[in-house]
Amino acid sequence: GENVEQHPSTLSVQEGDSAVIKCTYSDSASNYFPWYKQELGKRPQLIIDIRSNVGEKKDQRIAVTLNKTAKHFSLHITETQPEDSAVYFCAASKGSARQLTFGSGTQLTVLP
Amino acid sequence: EAGVAQSPRYKIIEKRQSVAFWCNPISGHATLYWYQQILGQGPKLLIQFQNNGVVDDSQLPKDRFSAERLKGVDSTLKIQPAKLEDSAVYLCASGVAGANNEQFFGPGTRLTVL
Repeated sequence: GENVEQHPSTLSVQEGDSAVIKCTYSDSASNYFPWYKQELGKRPQLIIDIRSNVGEKKDQRIAVTLNKTAKHFSLHITETQPEDSAVYFCAASKGSARQLTFGSGTQLTVLP
Repeated sequence: EAGVAQSPRYKIIEKRQSVAFWCNPISGHATLYWYQQILGQGPKLLIQFQNNGVVDDSQLPKDRFSAERLKGVDSTLKIQPAKLEDSAVYLCASGVAGANNEQFFGPGTRLTVL
């Protein structure tokens, strides 16, 4: 089955700096890659996603890039703010069933 | 639009006891998922329903876990008997069937097995 590896497991940045989280996947048939943000004790919430027919997608301060050849995708957060502090999960899925395989998560801390 | 509802929010039981979780998906969402999230890990899919049929339950420990989705709306997940390693947050998610579905997560049920 699919295996998704995520790193780093923890990341601390100064407010205003950029943060980058990277994930690799194993199944070349995977074609949908969402990123979820989970604040402590709360539900995961989708922040951005990308499909395999696109190499990059941007939404304000958040961007995701996908390299299908290398089977990796990355989340980029620019101008980080304290409210960006949370655990971020990448995931991958394929087909119409959309069963997500999640990475192990990255605890992002934005220091004021 | 109302979100995915789950109950209870917290449950503490002793090992070998039984427990049940309930999920009410977003209205109109045909697809429903149950995930197990152990502390410090990403959610792991346990079972996926499409309406009232099971799409995938390959990662569900069927000797102790069961799930149903009668009438294709609400769903229950049961553990009988519980083990210490079942301590986790159980997340329910729902989505619209098809290629562009986003999964919307409920608040989860935090289970502690003593």
